[in-house]
Amino acid sequence: TQLLEQSPQFLSIQEGENLTVYCNSSSVFSSLQWYRQEPGEGPVLLVTVVTGGEVKKLKRLTFQFGDARKDSSLHITAAQPGDTGLYLCAGDRSQGNLIFGKGTKLSVKP
Amino acid sequence: DTGVSQNPRHKITKRGQNVTFRCDPISEHNRLYWYRQTLGQGPEFLTYFQNEAQLEKSRLLSDRFSAERPKGSFSTLEIQRTEQGDSAMYLCASSLTPKRGMNTEAFFGQGTRLTVV
Repeated sequence: TQLLEQSPQFLSIQEGENLTVYCNSSSVFSSLQWYRQEPGEGPVLLVTVVTGGEVKKLKRLTFQFGDARKDSSLHITAAQPGDTGLYLCAGDRSQGNLIFGKGTKLSVKP
Repeated sequence: DTGVSQNPRHKITKRGQNVTFRCDPISEHNRLYWYRQTLGQGPEFLTYFQNEAQLEKSRLLSDRFSAERPKGSFSTLEIQRTEQGDSAMYLCASSLTPKRGMNTEAFFGQGTRLTVV
C-alpha cells in the first residue's frame, strides 16, 4: 500500500511568518501534486512536480520534489490570512489516479 | 468550459434511501475519477473511467455503490440503501489520459456533500 504522510497535521501561525509542510512516502511516484482546499469546496491544483530535485515557485510558495521522487515539501514565505486552508499532497501512481495524504490544515492569523 | 461541475452540492437523505450524484467533467478530458472525503481526511480513491470504460474500483466501493459513464461524458454515482457511514464529501475529478513519461493533472469539482440521517 502506498501511503503519503503529511506533517504537520495542523499549523497555526501569525501573518508574516514562514512555514514548511512536508509530504513523505516510502514509494516512488511518477509525479506529485499539491492542492489547496477550502471548507466545503473541492481541492484546487497548485502545482505538479515531476522530476527528482525539481523546484517550482508560485509567488510566495516554493515546492520541491525529492531527488528520489518519494517526498516533497511546500514552503510559504511571509504567510497571509488568505493562505489559510487545507494543503494536500497527492502522488500519481502512473495510472493517473492519485493517492492523497491527510493534509495539513493551515491557519494564518492577522 | 468552466471546469468540473457536480450536482447537487448538498444532499440530505434518510438512512435506507438511494441517492444519485452527477459529475460533468472538463469537456476534452477522457478520464473521470470519483473520490470520497470524510472530515479530517484526504480524498480516498473510489473508481475511475477511461471514456465509458470503468477501469478500476477501490475496495471502498461496496456493492451498494455503482458508477456509470454511459457516453464517456458525464458520470453518475449511485448509492443504494444509504447508511450513516456513507456521509461524506463525494468529489469528482477529470484529466487527460496520462501518456508514457508524462504526468497528468487532475482537476476537481466542488463536490457533493452527503448527509445520511
